[in-house]
Parts: sequence; C-alpha cells; structure tokens
Amino acid sequence: KAGVTQTPRYLIKTRGQQVTLSCSPISGHRSVSWYQQTPGQGLQFLFEYFSETQRNKGNFPGRFSGRQFSNSRSEMNVSTLELGDSALYLCASSLVGVQGYTFGSGTRLTVV
Amino acid sequence: GENVEQHPSTLSVQEGDSAVIKCTYSDSASNYFPWYKQELGKRPQLIIDIRSNVGEKKDQRIAVTLNKTAKHFSLHITETQPEDSAVYFCAGTNAGKSTFGDGTTLTVKP
Repeated sequence: KAGVTQTPRYLIKTRGQQVTLSCSPISGHRSVSWYQQTPGQGLQFLFEYFSETQRNKGNFPGRFSGRQFSNSRSEMNVSTLELGDSALYLCASSLVGVQGYTFGSGTRLTVV
Repeated sequence: GENVEQHPSTLSVQEGDSAVIKCTYSDSASNYFPWYKQELGKRPQLIIDIRSNVGEKKDQRIAVTLNKTAKHFSLHITETQPEDSAVYFCAGTNAGKSTFGDGTTLTVKP
C-alpha cells in the first residue's frame, strides 16, 4: 500500500512569507500528526488531527496552523515565516492515534 | 504535559556487542511507548513498541522493557551490526499525542 506522501519535498521561502505543506496519509489512517525536526530540538509536536478535528496541539505560536479534510489529507500552514522556522516538517499517520506512526519523507523548509 | 528524557545522547559499541538506550517519562497517563530508528537522511521508522499493560516485548535482536512504577522504559539491541547505526528515538504517547526523547546516536564499529 502507498505510504505517507508529503509535498513538496523542498521549499525555500523568504522571511515574512507564508507556506502551506501537504500530507496524504496511508489509506484508512484517520489520525495525522505533524512534527518539526531540527538538529538541536529533536522532534517537536505541532498538532494532531483526527476525523477533521484538531485533537492535540503543541507549544508552537499561532502562526502555525493546520487542518484535515474529509479524506484525511492534511495541510499545515505557517504564516509570517521567521528564520527559525527552517526545519524538516514531518507528517505521520496512524489508524487511530494510539499506535505507531508511519512517517512521510518530510518537507525541508528553508527560510532566507 | 509529557516530558521524555533519553540517555545516552551518543553510544558507540563494537559489532556484536549489546546496546541499551533508556528513557524516562513524566505523565503517568501515557500508555503507549514506541521506538523509532532514523537513518541519515531518511524518515523515522517504527521498530518496536510496548503498551502499558506489558512489561517486556522482544522481536529478534531487539527488546523493550517497561517499568510503569518507575516510569522508565529501555531499548535493548543484541548482537549489534553496522546497519544498526542510526539515531533512535523513544516516545511516550497519551491520547494520540507522542512526545519524543531527544534521540540517541548509535554507532556500531565493525
């Protein structure tokens, strides 16, 4: 079966711009979580969506937002980009959220 | 919220030796503890997991133990091989949210 698909793979944006990242989970998986991975901070939880509802939220500023569609696909949006937002953004899906994730390959965002 | 601490941050072993990585968690409501392996430039992949009603689980050369009272769990890799070299992450999960440790870089020297 197809894995978790994230698009785009790479992005370069300028400070102040906004960006939208997309994630298509494994078919049948209803839980989608987003993580930010940086060398110094490890894997930081952004949010989790289940059946189109945000069920959990991490400690990121309101510039980070997301949504989930009826087909379980999810998008993450970051507005007013800052240099510190440069990171690998990983999407992970699971059947119901209380089990192991399958991660996508990530979107590497560089803010210049 | 949950806080997961992972030790050591780096671990170097000789091929064939065992490797042990330890994690502690703070939220007694966490009930699922997965371990992920991330090779350089690749996505994290689930290698083993344990639920709070189980004390130990094995899968070939890897095993995980959980001590709920002490709130710690460990990953054990026996007969290490060079292909085990990677970053390993533990996580504590409660109600759909996994909180990760900072990772352990394991190097297996041939």
